[in-house]
Amino acid sequence: DAKTTQPPSMDCAEGRAANLPCNHSTISGNEYVYWYRQIHSQGPQYIIHGLKNNETNEMASLIITEDRKSSTLILPHATLRDTAVYYCIVRVKGYSTLTFGKGTMLLVSP
Amino acid sequence: DGGITQSPKYLFRKEGQNVTLSCEQNLNHDAMYWYRQDPGQGLRLIYYSQIVNDFQKGDIAEGYSVSREKKESFPLTVTSAQKNPTAFYLCASSIFSGGGTEAFFGQGTRLTVV
Repeated sequence: DAKTTQPPSMDCAEGRAANLPCNHSTISGNEYVYWYRQIHSQGPQYIIHGLKNNETNEMASLIITEDRKSSTLILPHATLRDTAVYYCIVRVKGYSTLTFGKGTMLLVSP
Repeated sequence: DGGITQSPKYLFRKEGQNVTLSCEQNLNHDAMYWYRQDPGQGLRLIYYSQIVNDFQKGDIAEGYSVSREKKESFPLTVTSAQKNPTAFYLCASSIFSGGGTEAFFGQGTRLTVV
């Protein structure tokens, strides 16, 4: 699996959009981009994933650049409950394990 | 309610004792995984299983053992050979097909060895 690079921490004001970047410059054509988050002392929670196109669900939006070398997770209206560590992971098509880095610690403040 | 259940949430053991962590899922997922997390760190893969009666070592398998006798269950034994067993242990499962399927995680077991 390709490696990813994320900033160690970010801050966001409550109600504002949180934009979390991820670099995956060595991603292969059949690898998906996944985002998970982990609230303190809980198991990671799946957020969203994508291959080439931008994706949106009830939790977030995923913007993948045209060359697929980077992506951005967008939480449109961050709340205090969005404070968590966010992991960006790339995963080959077909079965493979998830490889977690250290992620980005997002702190949402009032 | 469909999901993945880990028990117990907190576990204390004396040094030198083996301990088994439970992981059960009713999602009909083929693949199951065990991860370990140390404070301030990401998750590291211990073992994974794609199908019943088959499993593979992950990145840090030494001192651990697993079994997969049933599709729903993937218990992890932390043996006395594991030098630093105190950690947060997470179990996950996923459908065994395609890269577009997400993994579901349990709420973890925090093991403390004294």
